[in-house]
Amino acid sequence: EDKVVQSPLSLVVHEGDTVTLNCSYEVTNFRSLLWYKQEKKAPTFLFMLTSSGIEKKSGRLSSILDKKELSSILNITATQTGDSAIYLCAVEIDNDMRFGAGTRLTVKP
Amino acid sequence: NAGVTQTPKFQVLKTGQSMTLQCAQDMNHEYMSWYRQDPGMGLRLIHYSVGAGITDQGEVPNGYNVSRSTTEDFPLRLLSAAPSQTSVYFCASSPILDKPQHFGDGTRLSIL
Repeated sequence: EDKVVQSPLSLVVHEGDTVTLNCSYEVTNFRSLLWYKQEKKAPTFLFMLTSSGIEKKSGRLSSILDKKELSSILNITATQTGDSAIYLCAVEIDNDMRFGAGTRLTVKP
Repeated sequence: NAGVTQTPKFQVLKTGQSMTLQCAQDMNHEYMSWYRQDPGMGLRLIHYSVGAGITDQGEVPNGYNVSRSTTEDFPLRLLSAAPSQTSVYFCASSPILDKPQHFGDGTRLSIL
């Protein structure tokens, strides 16, 4: 059975901290891994990863895929209160998508 | 640019009622999908479509029907609502599946 597991499920940090969110997967026919940020409503796209070892970066956020370990990490440096959200990891399998349960990040002032 | 529009935003149904959740996109995307999001379970794929006239089942299709008569619209039908279908429903679209999806704002559905 295809599955995507995220850890931790919940995380509370203070502004300025650096956080690392984890996503591991066991799927058939892996095509890509995606990270989304979900605040109050619709998830919004962060990164799409297809190749192992190549870091994607956008401002204070970065992500990397490790196909050997079947995992990905999402790093956020110098966190701000606006980073508070649920971070979703999804794995594309043929025409299907499997999402993890998400990591709820709370950044306190 | 409207993106992905879902209606209604909220709905309360009684067990056994039927209803249709609407989803429309104005980006000429071929791939559209419906998800449900439940606490602690992330998003689960209900049905998807790779183009007009083509639909297929996702991970949790039971109790739901879809159709795709046009590129723009992808309605989700609940045939006979059950309390287990209480959830937040998201519609999403992308040019093709290998591109990131754009999500609508969701429909919060409660079934009593």
